[in-house]
Amino acid sequence: AQSVTQPDIHITVSEGASLELRCNYSYGATPYLFWYVQSPGQGLQLLLKYFSGDTLVQGIKGFEAEFKRSQSSFNLRKPSVHWSDAAEYFCAVGRSGGSNYKLTFGKGTLLTVNP
Amino acid sequence: DVKVTQSSRYLVKRTGEKVFLECVQDMDHENMFWYRQDPGLGLRLIYFSYDVKMKEKGDIPEGYSVSREKKERFSLILESASTNQTSMYLCASSSVNRLAKNIQYFGAGTRLSVL
Repeated sequence: AQSVTQPDIHITVSEGASLELRCNYSYGATPYLFWYVQSPGQGLQLLLKYFSGDTLVQGIKGFEAEFKRSQSSFNLRKPSVHWSDAAEYFCAVGRSGGSNYKLTFGKGTLLTVNP
Repeated sequence: DVKVTQSSRYLVKRTGEKVFLECVQDMDHENMFWYRQDPGLGLRLIYFSYDVKMKEKGDIPEGYSVSREKKERFSLILESASTNQTSMYLCASSSVNRLAKNIQYFGAGTRLSVL
């Protein structure tokens, strides 16, 4: 069964600082990988996705993530955080191919941005 | 843009009431999902539907049922609401098109309080 671990429950950074949110997954083949963001009281918005090919993927709002197969990781990065990035971030893994359309989500990392 | 609409943002119900949460998507997606979100537990799948009148249990189906009479609408039913069902409920949809690659689109959520 697939699983996702986000080791950091809560991260605090200063505005303008760089950010890295960690995500480790467990899956038997090449997975589909996603990062979603949830602003307070809102639903989840897709930030970026990895399916195949280039292991560094770009997303919206200046975010990027790198797929590292050897480490089973898909960490999210941003070079300079803005106050509006304060939100909860979820990593998710899905099965490539086949008819299983479910995603497995991590428990989330809450990002606080200090002025 | 894909739009997933949940009929209520906030609901307050009493213990023992029958509760209906409604979700409508406008992209002709085959798959629809209901999740429950609780602090520290992330998103947990309650039920999944892959076609009209078709459903599959998720990880935590106990105490819930679902209905999908039309492709665009997926309802979550709490037959007899209990206080431990107080939570945020998120609806999502996705396409079976191979190019869609399991991307799920989310509604804004319904925050349900059971008193």
